[in-house]
Amino acid sequence: DAGVIQSPRHEVTEMGQEVTLRCKPISGHNSLFWYRQTMMRGLELLIYFNNNVPIDDSGMPEDRFSAKMPNASFSTLKIQPSEPRDSAVYFCASTSGGYSNSYEQYFGPGTRLTVT
Amino acid sequence: GENVEQHPSTLSVQEGDSAVIKCTYSDSASNYFPWYKQELGKGPQLIIDIRSNVGEKKDQRIAVTLNKTAKHFSLHITETQPEDSAVYFCAAGSLRRGFSAGTASKLTFGTGTRLQVTL
Repeated sequence: DAGVIQSPRHEVTEMGQEVTLRCKPISGHNSLFWYRQTMMRGLELLIYFNNNVPIDDSGMPEDRFSAKMPNASFSTLKIQPSEPRDSAVYFCASTSGGYSNSYEQYFGPGTRLTVT
Repeated sequence: GENVEQHPSTLSVQEGDSAVIKCTYSDSASNYFPWYKQELGKGPQLIIDIRSNVGEKKDQRIAVTLNKTAKHFSLHITETQPEDSAVYFCAAGSLRRGFSAGTASKLTFGTGTRLQVTL
């Protein structure tokens, strides 16, 4: 398996622009998580889905952030409009949530977002 | 909600020495405690996990201990090697009784420990 796939790997955009980050979870995994990592705040959970349904979005910082999971193999995280303080590395992770007695979250390589 | 504190933030040890990283959690409902290793430019990767029905778990040079009463858990790395240099994160989560596969719960991560193993 190719693991969790994220695109793009790097994104540089200007303040005010819309940014869309994409994630393909590991095939067969039922749960997907979006995290943001910064030096100041560490690794923060933004939102997670079980079986394509958003379960907890309490970590989404503002209405400028939205996430969707239209099917089991694809999710997007959108920021509109983007601001410099959104600059961070965004990770997507997926898990089978207990199948084969494993709760491991498999992380993608991340998208490094820079908003100027 | 859950709050996880992790210490130290940086740790430097000589090759062959042991390294210990400690975490505390606040929510007594948490019963799942994984440790992740993050290498430069990569996403975190699970190295070991422990559930609350176990006090200690070992996997080769890595061990984790859990004290439910005190709400703290620790990662122990023995005979450290240069390739152990990375950032390590502890986390806490809740696997609910009657938990059905495919319905994962969220994890709260610590702030990370940067481990440097020197020659």
